[in-house]
Formats: sequence, structure tokens, C-alpha cells
Amino acid sequence: DIQMTQSPSSLSASVGDRVTITCRASQTIGNYLAWYQQKPGKVPSLVMFAVSTLQPGVPSRFSGSGSGTDFTLTISSLQPEDVATYYCQKHNSAPFTFGPGTKVDIK
Amino acid sequence: QVQLVQSGAEVMKPGASVKVSCKASGYVFMNYGFTWVRQAPGQGLEWMGWISAYNGQTNYARELQGRVTMTTDTSTSTAYMELMSLTSDDTAVYFCARDPGGATPDYWGQGTLVTVSS
Repeated sequence: DIQMTQSPSSLSASVGDRVTITCRASQTIGNYLAWYQQKPGKVPSLVMFAVSTLQPGVPSRFSGSGSGTDFTLTISSLQPEDVATYYCQKHNSAPFTFGPGTKVDIK
Repeated sequence: QVQLVQSGAEVMKPGASVKVSCKASGYVFMNYGFTWVRQAPGQGLEWMGWISAYNGQTNYARELQGRVTMTTDTSTSTAYMELMSLTSDDTAVYFCARDPGGATPDYWGQGTLVTVSS
């Protein structure tokens, strides 16, 4: 099975900073990469799929890029409400494995 | 509006089975599938499997094959996930989520805590 890794495992940044999270697949998954946000104590929510297609209602400061095996999630200007753990997920074929998560905090 | 309401928390003995329900409303039930995801305490998300509400087709995580069964009841717009032969490693919050077909669930239930303890 394809394994998903993320880096860093956690980060702390200031409000307004540009934040980048990396996700890597052990084999190519084309453009089938999704990102989820899970705020503390809350249910996960879909941020974007197919690398860069934002879910309705997701702020435009979130963007995604990459293809094949290497992908990034970028928050262009970190806001307090973005404090969460972010998970990537492959969605090309089963099993639809999640990455281990990246915890984002405010410095 | 789309809502997924899950059954309440469960405390189970090792070796027992648990069945979690997920009642859907606000959309055409058979037009979507369901993904089940679990999250052990303090841990990440684990994909458990998927079921089509249209024809009942399933796809389970390899590690859970033989222990998990996912079903749907179109008459009540409810999805079910049953997990057998529970161990303490199965202690987790279990989420159902609506799947539009691209394996990227867009609406999630509130989660059901299953605790396995003797």
C-alpha cells in the first residue's frame, strides 16, 4: 500500500505568516490529494481535494500545489482560526490513507 | 441542510462487537456513499472503509478485513458500521462521513466514542 508522510509534524507561526505543509506519497498518486482541517476537539473538515480545488466556504488564503508524490498546503496569511491539525489524504484508489498530520499553532 | 447524526458512546468488553449508526438527512441518501474513519485518543485519522448507499458495494481497509461490516438501510437513510472481536486498540472515536464518490468526504457526523475495556 502507498504510505503518506507529512512534514513538519508541528509548527508554530505568527499571525500573518505564510505557512507551508508538505505531504509526500511513497508512490505516485497523480493529482488525487486532499487536505483536511481538524480544529481542537472538533470534527475533521475537508479543505480541498484534487490537489487544489477548495471546498465551498474555505478562505482563499488556503491553496494547494503539487503532483505525483510531492504536495504542499499553503496558508498565505495565518489567522487565529487556522489553529488546527491538517491531514493529507490520497484519494486515487483504496486504501484512501491519511497522512499522520501537522499541528499548526500560533506563536 | 445535510446532517449526519451518529449513535451515542459505547463501552464494550474485549471480544465483543459494536455497531455504530449514522442517520443522514438533508440530501438524497442513495446518491452518495459513506466513508468511516476512526481516531484513537491523541492520534491521527485512520480510513476504515467505504460503502455505496446506491448498491451496497464496500471497500474495507486491509487491516480490518474480516472484522468490519458496513451496511446501509435506505428505508431509514441510515448507515451502519459493525466492528467485531474488539480489543483495546479499537478504542477510538468513530466518524461517518458522506462521500460524493471521489473518496473525499464532505460532511461528517459528530463522532461516536467507543471504549473497549474489561
